Amino acid sequence: NAGVTQTPKFQVLKTGQSMTLQCAQDMNHEYMSWYRQDPGMGLRLIHYSVGAGITDQGEVPNGYNVSRSTTEDFPLRLLSAAPSQTSVYFCASKTSGGTDTQYFGPGTRLTVL
Amino acid sequence: GNSVTQMEGPVTLSEEAFLTINCTYTATGYPSLFWYVQYPGEGLQLLLKATKADDKGSNKGFEATYRKETTSFHLEKGSVQVSDSAVYFCALTILQGAQKLVFGQGTRLTINP
Repeated sequence: NAGVTQTPKFQVLKTGQSMTLQCAQDMNHEYMSWYRQDPGMGLRLIHYSVGAGITDQGEVPNGYNVSRSTTEDFPLRLLSAAPSQTSVYFCASKTSGGTDTQYFGPGTRLTVL
Repeated sequence: GNSVTQMEGPVTLSEEAFLTINCTYTATGYPSLFWYVQYPGEGLQLLLKATKADDKGSNKGFEATYRKETTSFHLEKGSVQVSDSAVYFCALTILQGAQKLVFGQGTRLTINP
């Protein structure tokens, strides 16, 4: 199993550009989520999905869109990047069991100039 | 609402010292509690967890006990090693609803030889 994979590892954007951060998992997990990590603030939930075709907003959803067309993939879209979106982005997945472990990808470091 | 507060870092210790990282929480439901570790340049990995009051989670010499009366989940290790240098995150999840993880701000630990 590759676990949770994310691409790209690093990305630099200009303000106003769009891009998609890719996330895939091969563990057949129903639940997937996106977090952003900022210094001194821990990880904050952006969007999550409890299964294919179902998504919902987390704590900081503004400026981001998601879709879940398959169990394996959960891309995060930035439609018009802003400097405030400079951060490290982590994708995670788990089974639907409440206490089950979330498995995290290696992260994408995004800089918006 | 649900929140997690960790002791502020950074924390610097000598090898073989005793480690405590404090974590307290506020939760509207009955949470499960987690410690995640992030080694340099990597994503988060589950270190240990506890799902009910008085449970003790343990792994790699680290321990934490779920204390409902003090709403705490402090991380301890009797003798730290240089390889324990990392950022440690306390987190909770509520079993109902979306089962989202709520993170503390993280504590950076550096162990000197």
